[in-house]
Amino acid sequence: DQQVKQNSPSLSVQEGRISILNCDYTNSMFDYFLWYKKYPAEGPTFLISISSIKDKNEDGRFTVFLNKSAKHLSLHIVPSQPGDSAVYFCAASPAYSGAGSYQLTFGKGTKLSVIP
Amino acid sequence: GAVVSQHPSRVICKSGTSVKIECRSLDFQATTMFWYRQFPKKSLMLMATSNEGSKATYEQGVEKDKFLINHASLTLSTLTVTSAHPEDSSFYICSVPTGPYLAKNIQYFGAGTRLSVL
Repeated sequence: DQQVKQNSPSLSVQEGRISILNCDYTNSMFDYFLWYKKYPAEGPTFLISISSIKDKNEDGRFTVFLNKSAKHLSLHIVPSQPGDSAVYFCAASPAYSGAGSYQLTFGKGTKLSVIP
Repeated sequence: GAVVSQHPSRVICKSGTSVKIECRSLDFQATTMFWYRQFPKKSLMLMATSNEGSKATYEQGVEKDKFLINHASLTLSTLTVTSAHPEDSSFYICSVPTGPYLAKNIQYFGAGTRLSVL
């Protein structure tokens, strides 16, 4: 049973427009959420995160929104650039409560293609 | 610069041989490191938690005798795929968590190792 779901395997967006990547989770114990970006044959790179006490976190062109009641988060990229083309993974972890509790659970990823 | 160094980036080996993958934490002393495996078009699946100075903790379904993990120091964890077979071909990635030293649980990932077993 997938606890973190990214239902869109792929997304194509025109350069300069907004990219919206969605993520849903089922585990109410999740307290911290992260987005990772991954290029082929490379490890994931941390992009942005949000704690459950917030509903929005912004870093430059990237904004993550969290709706706890809906167990839903989204990543907005504005404006989208061709270099943003990659696979984006949503990940979640419970609040830290001892060894192992900071394990991450990943979604399957969404491949974003930004068309010039 | 890179926070985590993983080597080698690519390995091609014959069936039956053993392959060692190294994961080094460059910026943090890591009492814990994670090893993941990624199949094509699939998510990152946690294989095991590497614990410095003690035995690794394996996820359900992961053979501990197949995937040997050694966390000999605070900066180095190794994953050895023993007697590799074609079904072990995959992309293996290690990560170093920043928690609990920081309030945020961010994991920094190595570049990954593409293993191809012939």
